[in-house]
Amino acid sequence: SAVISQKPSRDICQRGTSLTIQCQVDSQVTMMFWYRQQPGQSLTLIATANQGSEATYESGFVIDKFPISRPNLTFSTLTVSNMSPEDSSIYLCSVPRTGATLLGEQFFGPGTRLTVL
Amino acid sequence: GEDVEQSLFLSVREGDSSVINCTYTDSSSTYLYWYKQEPGAGLQLLTYIFSNMDMKQDQRLTVLLNKKDKHLSLRIADTQTGDSAIYFCAEFKFMTTDSWGKLQFGAGTQVVVTP
Repeated sequence: SAVISQKPSRDICQRGTSLTIQCQVDSQVTMMFWYRQQPGQSLTLIATANQGSEATYESGFVIDKFPISRPNLTFSTLTVSNMSPEDSSIYLCSVPRTGATLLGEQFFGPGTRLTVL
Repeated sequence: GEDVEQSLFLSVREGDSSVINCTYTDSSSTYLYWYKQEPGAGLQLLTYIFSNMDMKQDQRLTVLLNKKDKHLSLRIADTQTGDSAIYFCAEFKFMTTDSWGKLQFGAGTQVVVTP
């Protein structure tokens, strides 16, 4: 299994500011995923980040709002830019299980709980 | 609306069975999953079922799949207090672009186990 850590675990931010969330994996992985979990709602995929290429964003998410870096095979950052209260969510990163034959078998980080005032 | 739908809350007494239900809309879904999220922790894969199966049993967990009705359920036998968590149903959707694919999650069912 992969061990995934995220920083910060939680933060309270003022509207209009930006927050960068870090995701660290204890093994090298090609793909990393960033999800948003809004209160009482399902997890929604924000983007897929492959090392060495631009992140692929899902419908409704744009690079200017959620820039992603993927400098190496064990690390990624997600920035939530120009925040508003609607960005208050839990943000999670995940990676597929190495060698998984089950597409969709992913390991998740513990999440970053963001509150925007 | 959500492609995957679940009831939001379930209360069950310790020792009883829990049944969590899920409906999905994509009939082409090949893989269906159940994830568990405990307080303060990330999601953890519990079990899965392939679309060519009707049932899968894994210790206390039983997954039932009704493809005709696009209905998935997770039964937890002899529910314990440690089973209190949010349970997410998810289907894997292949993408038509060159991306890999993505998990489509339901909103999650909060299961509360009472003594």
